[in-house]
Amino acid sequence: ETGVTQTPRHLVMGMTNKKSLKCEQHLGHNAMYWYKQSAKKPLELMFVYSLEERVENNSVPSRFSPECPNSSHLFLHLHTLQPEDSALYLCASSQGAHSLNEKLFFGSGTQLSVL
Amino acid sequence: DQQVKQNSPSLSVQEGRISILNCDYTNSMFDYFLWYKKYPAEGPTFLISISSIKDKNEDGRFTVFLNKSAKHLSLHIVPSQPGDSAVYFCAASPGAGNTPLVFGKGTRLSVIA
Repeated sequence: ETGVTQTPRHLVMGMTNKKSLKCEQHLGHNAMYWYKQSAKKPLELMFVYSLEERVENNSVPSRFSPECPNSSHLFLHLHTLQPEDSALYLCASSQGAHSLNEKLFFGSGTQLSVL
Repeated sequence: DQQVKQNSPSLSVQEGRISILNCDYTNSMFDYFLWYKKYPAEGPTFLISISSIKDKNEDGRFTVFLNKSAKHLSLHIVPSQPGDSAVYFCAASPGAGNTPLVFGKGTRLSVIA
């Protein structure tokens, strides 16, 4: 079993749909992250949670809504997305609660297509 | 403005030869650097890291070199193997504080048998 599990692996949704991405980490880590990977762009940090509190939000549109109910689970709720939101969404975790520049452990990602 | 730059989007190398992947950074506060490797349909996996107190770190076939004055680091893979074909991301961070890693765009390495 991998340390960070993401579901679903693939998602196709219309612009009016509401869907959620799920991430679970089995590593006992204290920080969890959502990243977006678009073609020919750097990995873009979207949200960071440390000890279940959001500590970073890089000006992400409100159509993306994160939820971290506990230190092992992270969700990304999606609604009224745009075609340009189509990308690979990666979840990651790291050990520390007070230092976010440590080694990250990534899930396999959800490939999202918005039609 | 990109703080971490990987200027070569792709690189092809013959099996058995050396692969050299380059990364430049602009923020002089960065003092911890990592390389990640990503296969298609998988998340990035940590490969090797280096702290600014060192100029070289080696792990098997993988060596990372850091030139602080030039704000440049490179990843050497020798000998290159077909299984090394992947996208390699450079990442950087200031050592202190609560700032997440900053990633480059990645370089796609193809090792040809």
